[in-house]
Amino acid sequence: AQSVSQHNHHVILSEAASLELGCNYSYGGTVNLFWYVQYPGQHLQLLLKYFSGDPLVKGIKGFEAEFIKSKFSFNLRKPSVQWSDTAEYFCAVNARAAGNKLTFGGGTRVLVKP
Amino acid sequence: NAGVTQTPKFQVLKTGQSMTLQCAQDMNHNSMYWYRQDPGMGLRLIYYSASEGTTDKGEVPNGYNVSRLNKREFSLRLESAAPSQTSVYFCASSEWDRSGELFFGEGSRLTVL
Repeated sequence: AQSVSQHNHHVILSEAASLELGCNYSYGGTVNLFWYVQYPGQHLQLLLKYFSGDPLVKGIKGFEAEFIKSKFSFNLRKPSVQWSDTAEYFCAVNARAAGNKLTFGGGTRVLVKP
Repeated sequence: NAGVTQTPKFQVLKTGQSMTLQCAQDMNHNSMYWYRQDPGMGLRLIYYSASEGTTDKGEVPNGYNVSRLNKREFSLRLESAAPSQTSVYFCASSEWDRSGELFFGEGSRLTVL
């Protein structure tokens, strides 16, 4: 069975600081990888996704993520955060052999101080 | 375009009561899902329906039942609510293709006393 680990449960940053959130998954086969974001009081929205090709994926709002297959990792980055990036971030994995079922990590709460 | 709509948004139940969470999507997606979200545990899959007429258990199905009423609607029923079922429930839908991208509803916050 696939599993997803997000190493940081809470992150507190100041505006303009750089952000990196770790995500590791356990599954030996081909995977699709996702980062979802949940702003306070809202539902989950897709931030970016990786299916194949260039392992550096760019998403909305200046976010990017890098898929490193050898490390089973898909870390999320943003060079300079804004107060509006305060949210909870979820990494998710879809093992293609398992059909359309996403497995989510435990989430990382990010607080950006103005 | 409403996307995925869930009702109710909030509900308080007493232990042992039953209730049904309703979900409808207007994107003509084949697959629908019910997740629960608990602090520090992310989202866990309760049940899913790959296509109309089929349902399957996810990670945490105990205490729940589902019905895929038609292609648009997928309901989640708690037959005898327990405090451990206090959670935020999210319905989601997706196309049945290799992408796996989910589209979520706004969530239903359920409290069981």
